[in-house]
Amino acid sequence: EIVLTQSPATLSLSPGQRATLSCRASQSVSSYLAWYQQKPGQAPRLLIFDASVRAPGIPARFSGSGSRTDFTLTISSLEPEDFAIYYCQQQGTFGQGTKVDIK
Amino acid sequence: QFQLQESGPGLVKPSETLSLTCTVSGGSVTSNAYYWGWIRQPPGKGLEWIGYVSYSGSTKYNPSLTSRVTISLDTSKNQFSLRLSSVTALDTAVYYCASVLWGCSRSTCFYYFDYWGQGTLVPVSS
Repeated sequence: EIVLTQSPATLSLSPGQRATLSCRASQSVSSYLAWYQQKPGQAPRLLIFDASVRAPGIPARFSGSGSRTDFTLTISSLEPEDFAIYYCQQQGTFGQGTKVDIK
Repeated sequence: QFQLQESGPGLVKPSETLSLTCTVSGGSVTSNAYYWGWIRQPPGKGLEWIGYVSYSGSTKYNPSLTSRVTISLDTSKNQFSLRLSSVTALDTAVYYCASVLWGCSRSTCFYYFDYWGQGTLVPVSS
């Protein structure tokens, strides 16, 4: 079973700053990795799939990169609505999440 | 674009069976481009995949839940459902249904949850 480890657990940043979130897989997953955003009281929303493909309607400030075991979600300039929890996912496994909160 | 809506009892007693239904609009559950899945989230915790059913009715479940889970399609109503037996307080969670975008390349298959229902909280309590 693949384990996904996200870091850091919490990222404290200000609006306008760049956010860099990491997801590491315990074994190679090729490029088959997704990222989700979840705000309080809401369902998760698919942001990125196949490691780097933005889902429809997702702003260009969100980008994904990586392959095999190391992946990154980058938010180029944080907007107020981007403060949320972010999860990576590969098949039936989710990472434990990274919370991006306001500094 | 799909819309999904969970429905079911708001409270389940320990040792009983949790049953939820997901109604799909904006497309057919028999579309071969999609599977249909369930994910849950205990209060204050992360996401746990429960399983999915394909457009043809085949299923795949989380190994940790497989002895207690059944997911099925009702094509006449454009719905799919979840049954989780012998529940305990540990099964208390928000349960989400989702459309599952899937594919296979060489020997590897992948799936992603692209449209989600709003979720329904199911407490397990006597």
